[in-house]
Amino acid sequence: SQQGEEDPQALSIQEGENATMNCSYKTSINNLQWYRQNSGRGLVHLILIRSNEREKHSGRLRVTLDTSKKSSSLLITASRAADTASYFCATELNTGGFKTIFGAGTRLFVKA
Amino acid sequence: ETGVTQSPTHLIKTRGQQVTLRCSSQSGHNTVSWYQQALGQGPQFIFQYYREEENGRGNFPPRFSGLQFPNYSSELNVNALELDDSALYLCASSWEGAGEKLFFGSGTQLSVL
Repeated sequence: SQQGEEDPQALSIQEGENATMNCSYKTSINNLQWYRQNSGRGLVHLILIRSNEREKHSGRLRVTLDTSKKSSSLLITASRAADTASYFCATELNTGGFKTIFGAGTRLFVKA
Repeated sequence: ETGVTQSPTHLIKTRGQQVTLRCSSQSGHNTVSWYQQALGQGPQFIFQYYREEENGRGNFPPRFSGLQFPNYSSELNVNALELDDSALYLCASSWEGAGEKLFFGSGTQLSVL
């Protein structure tokens, strides 16, 4: 089963608007990461937030983490057509070995 | 550019056959993980290797096996292919200095007919 679940499954916005994606997870975490994937290619790491952090910024990206609600959000400000991609949250589990588990993703489409 | 390369990029096999997928990581990346991604889904963790030893496994049957070599390359082997094995297979490498960050290859698209 998925450790992280993104919401919404799909999002369509106009260029210049902000895009917000949410992720919920089930177990305690040390950190949470967000990755981006362009049309079936490899994933690219965007940002990592640790469990003792509440908010983190990187360029047009803003990530928040609420460990009491076991949820995170990714905000992309002033979106561009090039931001069209799938976005995944990922958490690391240590159950008889380390593994990074991904959610099902949010598919973002930015219209020019 | 992540410096992680996978081969082949596309592959077509028949049910019951065996397949080997390859991944070449950056020098120094001593951890490699393999993922299976079905169309429209998130990547599913298959297993992870650290310094040539399996270090974690997901819910995949034993016919999925792997190897990691001292030259930072690795293999994913799948025996007795089934139609549901059709997917994009991704390898991701890392090293202690990168923390939890994973560096992904572009994947191998496997089709089982």
